[in-house]
Amino acid sequence: DAGVIQSPRHEVTEMGQEVTLRCKPISGHNSLFWYRQTMMRGLELLIYFNNNVPIDDSGMPEDRFSAKMPNASFSTLKIQPSEPRDSAVYFCASSFEGYGFPDTEAFFGQGTRLTVV
Amino acid sequence: AQKVTQAQTEISVVEKEDVTLDCVYETRDTTYYLFWYKQPPSGELVFLIRRNSFDEQNEISGRYSWNFQKSTSSFNFTITASQVVDSAVYFCALSRGLTGGGNKLTFGTGTQLKVEL
Repeated sequence: DAGVIQSPRHEVTEMGQEVTLRCKPISGHNSLFWYRQTMMRGLELLIYFNNNVPIDDSGMPEDRFSAKMPNASFSTLKIQPSEPRDSAVYFCASSFEGYGFPDTEAFFGQGTRLTVV
Repeated sequence: AQKVTQAQTEISVVEKEDVTLDCVYETRDTTYYLFWYKQPPSGELVFLIRRNSFDEQNEISGRYSWNFQKSTSSFNFTITASQVVDSAVYFCALSRGLTGGGNKLTFGTGTQLKVEL
């Protein structure tokens, strides 16, 4: 299995531009998570999808951030407009949740390092 | 609210020394998972272990061992005979429940481990 695939690995953009981060979860997994890692706030959960439906977006910092999961094999995290304080490493992770069974552990992608100048 | 505390910001040891990384957690949930992840200099997050709140048995995997004590809300991680390749940031994390979001993780701030020759 190729694991969770994120693209791009690095992104440098100018303040005010739209940025789209992409994630392909592990095949067969039905839950997807976006996390953000910064020096100031550490690793924090942004949003959690189950069966392509956003279940918990309480970690999304503000309206400039949006996430979608149009199908089981693809998710995007969009920032519009981007600001320098959005500079961070964004991780996508996936797992499998079965009814009545403990969830499998989450496997993380390699992350996208976003720099907003 | 959930909280994970890793009081050790940085630890330096000489190769072959044993080292213990501390993790203390707070939760009102009765069922939860505890995790350890490793983040090497390359930046990815590598899953090491997951324990559920009902299983306080210590676990050993090669040079790694984990000690889970609910009485002290701790989940400590010991590396025996450390090696230079163990140099990384290690994160302890806590989930909400075992099913349905069992990978919605609250992370600690991490412990930077440096193993020198």
